[in-house]
Amino acid sequence: DAGVIQSPRHEVTEMGQEVTLRCKPISGHNSLFWYRQTMMRGLELLIYFNNNVPIDDSGMPEDRFSAKMPNASFSTLKIQPSEPRDSAVYFCASRFRGGSNTGELFFGEGSRLTVL
Amino acid sequence: AQSVAQPEDQVNVAEGNPLTVKCTYSVSGNPYLFWYVQYPNRGLQFLLKYITGDNLVKGSYGFEAEFNKSQTSFHLKKPSALVSDSALYFCAVREWNTGNQFYFGTGTSLTVIP
Repeated sequence: DAGVIQSPRHEVTEMGQEVTLRCKPISGHNSLFWYRQTMMRGLELLIYFNNNVPIDDSGMPEDRFSAKMPNASFSTLKIQPSEPRDSAVYFCASRFRGGSNTGELFFGEGSRLTVL
Repeated sequence: AQSVAQPEDQVNVAEGNPLTVKCTYSVSGNPYLFWYVQYPNRGLQFLLKYITGDNLVKGSYGFEAEFNKSQTSFHLKKPSALVSDSALYFCAVREWNTGNQFYFGTGTSLTVIP
């Protein structure tokens, strides 16, 4: 089975440009999470969705960041305009929330963003 | 509030020796506890979880973890370390009754010395 698929794996852009990161969760999973990982701050939850609906976006750093989940199989994280401090690895994760609700998170391989 | 502490940023162990990576947690209700491993330039991979039942949980790659409710700990262990176990390890907790959010520790970098 395919895992969580993220694209692009690497992105290098210049300050002020728009960046769009993409995620395809595991089929059948109904919760999707976006995390950011940096050396300084570790792993931070940015936002998560249940059944395509954003539930908690309190981790989104500022209005430059936005996330959407138009359907159960696709989500985007957009940064506009990008800044050098946004440089990080961005992870998407998914899980099935239901039944006994004991399922773990499954992570993608990450998108490494460098903003010059 | 839920939280996880991994008190050691770095753990070094000789190949063949037992290893322990420590984790303590704080939740207001019953915890679900998880361990993940991250190899360089990769995503986090699930190792094992404690939900209920036996306090000793066995997972992938020969790892196990022991849930200790009185000490609010969930330490990761392996009887004999391999060089290939060198990686970053994350502990996470989720409270059973509060939705969907996982709380991760800051990670422990494990180096197994040949």
